[in-house]
Amino acid sequence: DAGVIQSPRHEVTEMGQEVTLRCKPISGHDYLFWYRQTMMRGLELLIYFNNNVPIDDSGMPEDRFSAKMPNASFSTLKIQPSEPRDSAVYFCASRGGGTGPSRGELFFGEGSRLTVL
Amino acid sequence: AQKVTQAQTEISVVEKEDVTLDCVYETRDTTYYLFWYKQPPSGELVFLIRRNSFDEQNEISGRYSWNFQKSTSSFNFTITASQVVDSAVYFCALSEEGYSTLTFGKGTMLLVSP
Repeated sequence: DAGVIQSPRHEVTEMGQEVTLRCKPISGHDYLFWYRQTMMRGLELLIYFNNNVPIDDSGMPEDRFSAKMPNASFSTLKIQPSEPRDSAVYFCASRGGGTGPSRGELFFGEGSRLTVL
Repeated sequence: AQKVTQAQTEISVVEKEDVTLDCVYETRDTTYYLFWYKQPPSGELVFLIRRNSFDEQNEISGRYSWNFQKSTSSFNFTITASQVVDSAVYFCALSEEGYSTLTFGKGTMLLVSP
């Protein structure tokens, strides 16, 4: 069974450019999460979706960041315009199991390493 | 508010030593879930274990064991007879019943030298 698939694995871009990160969750998972990892701040939740609907985007740094989930098998995280401080590893994760004791564990993709020059 | 503290930033051991990674959590909920994840040098995050707050039984899986103590709000992770392949960053995480998200600690980098 395929895991969470993210693309691109590495992205180097110049300040001001638009960046789009992509994620395909595990089939059947109804929750999708975007996390950002930096040395200074560790793993931070940016936004998460339930059944394709954004539930909590309070972690999105600012209006330059946007995320969409047009269907159950695809999500994007867009940064426009990008800045050097956006350099980080962006992880997508998915899980099933609702919110009760039956909730499943979070499965992470391999991450997208973004460098903004 | 939920919080996870991993006070050990980095631990270095020699192969075959036992090592314990500490995790202390804060939550106001009576029902919550605790997790450990491993992040090897390749960068992916690998799920290791999940515990429910109503199950304090310790768990052992091969060389890995976990000690969950509600009285001290701790969920410590022990690796017995460490190996070089155990070198990674280990994250402890917490999820409260009413929330769908995980709050992660800052991680502990474990370096196992031959």
